[in-house]
Amino acid sequence: EAQVTQNPRYLITVTGKKLTVTCSQNMNHEYMSWYRQDPGLGLRQIYYSMNVEVTDKGDVPEGYKVSRKEKRNFPLILESPSPNQTSLYFCASSPQGLTDTQYFGPGTRLTVL
Amino acid sequence: GENVEQHPSTLSVQEGDSAVIKCTYSDSASNYFPWYKQELGKRPQLIIDIRSNVGEKKDQRIAVTLNKTAKHFSLHITETQPEDSAVYFCAASKASGGSYIPTFGRGTSLIVHP
Repeated sequence: EAQVTQNPRYLITVTGKKLTVTCSQNMNHEYMSWYRQDPGLGLRQIYYSMNVEVTDKGDVPEGYKVSRKEKRNFPLILESPSPNQTSLYFCASSPQGLTDTQYFGPGTRLTVL
Repeated sequence: GENVEQHPSTLSVQEGDSAVIKCTYSDSASNYFPWYKQELGKRPQLIIDIRSNVGEKKDQRIAVTLNKTAKHFSLHITETQPEDSAVYFCAASKASGGSYIPTFGRGTSLIVHP
């Protein structure tokens, strides 16, 4: 089944404790991205990657890191989480080129205390 | 960068009525405009999209119109049903290096009353 998976789905952590949210897709998509969703603010892009070893900042990259060592995986890293990073996070992937449907993962709800 | 404004933020209709959600964008280079539906607790899913060389696209009860001159596009849902209740997001994208970089609107919460 073609899909985007994220883990964990729910996470409660404390300020300053490094964490990683994994994202994997099995559709051989070139493009992957991370969004955060906050009430009233919609979806804001954190980072995106157009291919292996190619990543770039989105609209709200502060406090986040990403890597793209393999085509299928695009982990989101919070080196020192803070309470303002409490949010719902979505990973998404899409094929390169004119077909631009973004396929979203199920979401990760993160709470930073 | 691109700025996408979406209105209204909340829309309440009776079952069977039509619903219209409007978005405006700022970057004239944007050329791909998808609409996503997000049901409560679920992930966003594409429902319809339109490219800048097309003025209107329809898929059953859903249609999207695009006015490139005025830089706005709209989602039209006819004969609304309770299962249409969800948050709808528009987005504007432009090609960059072979892929598209989207900017999303803030979303419209559509409530369809039976």
